[in-house]
Amino acid sequence: GENVEQHPSTLSVQEGDSAVIKCTYSDSASNYFPWYKQELGKGPQLIIDIRSNVGEKKDQRIAVTLNKTAKHFSLHITETQPEDSAVYFCAANSPSGGYNKLIFGAGTRLAVHP
Amino acid sequence: GAVVSQHPSRVICKSGTSVKIECRSLDFQATTMFWYRQFPKQSLMLMATSNEGSKATYEQGVEKDKFLINHASLTLSTLTVTSAHPEDSSFYICSAPGQGYNSPLHFGNGTRLTVT
Repeated sequence: GENVEQHPSTLSVQEGDSAVIKCTYSDSASNYFPWYKQELGKGPQLIIDIRSNVGEKKDQRIAVTLNKTAKHFSLHITETQPEDSAVYFCAANSPSGGYNKLIFGAGTRLAVHP
Repeated sequence: GAVVSQHPSRVICKSGTSVKIECRSLDFQATTMFWYRQFPKQSLMLMATSNEGSKATYEQGVEKDKFLINHASLTLSTLTVTSAHPEDSSFYICSAPGQGYNSPLHFGNGTRLTVT
């Protein structure tokens, strides 16, 4: 089945700097890659997603890139702010389970220091 | 936007009792919902897929007799942890895809279960 690896596990940056989180997946048939932000004690919130027919997607300070050949995708946050501090999860869909059956990475704890 | 509501947000129960967690899609219908489990500082592990009007599909290693799932309507799925033990203490989160083709998955705010 699908396996998703995520790095780094923790990331500390200064306010205004950029943050990059990287993920790799194992199943070349996966075609949907969302990113979720989880704050303490809450459920994950979708922040951006990308489908396999697109190489890059941007939404204000957040961008995601996808390299299907290498089977990896990355989240880029520019001009980080303290409120960006949270745990970020990447995910890939399990092709055998349909579009919404997601397998998650281990998560990255991002700390943005003022 | 699509809102998934989960209840209760926290529950404490004694070992051996059963606990029911509800997951509702508030402004849309969901024929499929997903239940995840998350241990502290760990990732979300998919437990099962809840299917409206039919049996749930469980992931490998998840005991279907212990984690009973019922998807009674297009807006409600329930997870019952039966004969709970301390090792069942965890954060349980449900999710549902929004309306429309290829809609993203929306998550509830989770239920913190503590078994004493």
